[in-house]
Amino acid sequence: QVQLQESGPGLVKPSETLSLTCTVSGGSIIGYYWTWVRQPAGKGLEWIGRVFSDGSTNYNPSLRSRLTMSVDTSKSQISLNLRSVTAADTAEYYCARASHGDYGPFYYHFLEVWGKGTAVTVSS
Amino acid sequence: QSVLTQPPSVSGTPGQRVTLSCSGGSSNIGRNAVNWYQHVPGTAPELLIYTVSHRSSGVPDRFSGSRSGASASLAISGLQSEDEATYYCAVWDDGLNAYVFGPGTMVNVL
Repeated sequence: QVQLQESGPGLVKPSETLSLTCTVSGGSIIGYYWTWVRQPAGKGLEWIGRVFSDGSTNYNPSLRSRLTMSVDTSKSQISLNLRSVTAADTAEYYCARASHGDYGPFYYHFLEVWGKGTAVTVSS
Repeated sequence: QSVLTQPPSVSGTPGQRVTLSCSGGSSNIGRNAVNWYQHVPGTAPELLIYTVSHRSSGVPDRFSGSRSGASASLAISGLQSEDEATYYCAVWDDGLNAYVFGPGTMVNVL
């Protein structure tokens, strides 16, 4: 059974880069989209972006200019780097595995396995 | 501001049936398969319904999903106290080329 574990510093200073890693165990990283989602306290879920096992990416338009996601298949890890952070980036960050494909005339994409999340605070 | 619209909250008594709505547009729900997630505070979100109407593994058949045009619905029948959570609809948006979540609906069991 695949499991995801997020890791990274819980505290980041404003204007610096937030770097998180998601480690995948119990399953292959190949052939899936790997996704980051965050939730600021008291707010809803926000999709950050996704990276396929071949390295191709899609990002949230509102974060694209500050965001880089990558995958290391040899380590079964997915990385997120968010530059120039502010207090607005303080949130619980989740890693998730996505399944995708065509369902008749529709495209499907859903987040079927989630990590437990890691809290990140942006503060000096 | 999400491209999807959900009511902030819905309330019901145990055993009642409640319906949660999710309204979108031609670039998201009208074109791609909508999903629903259940999020209990302090835990990770969980996939509840995928591809409009398919229940995720272990999800009781009290939960059902449907779609009509650019809107989707999640019905919970036989409401139970354990169903108290926030429910998010989500779908791929072709215009944004991004996955979008609705703002979420909090279900309260009175």
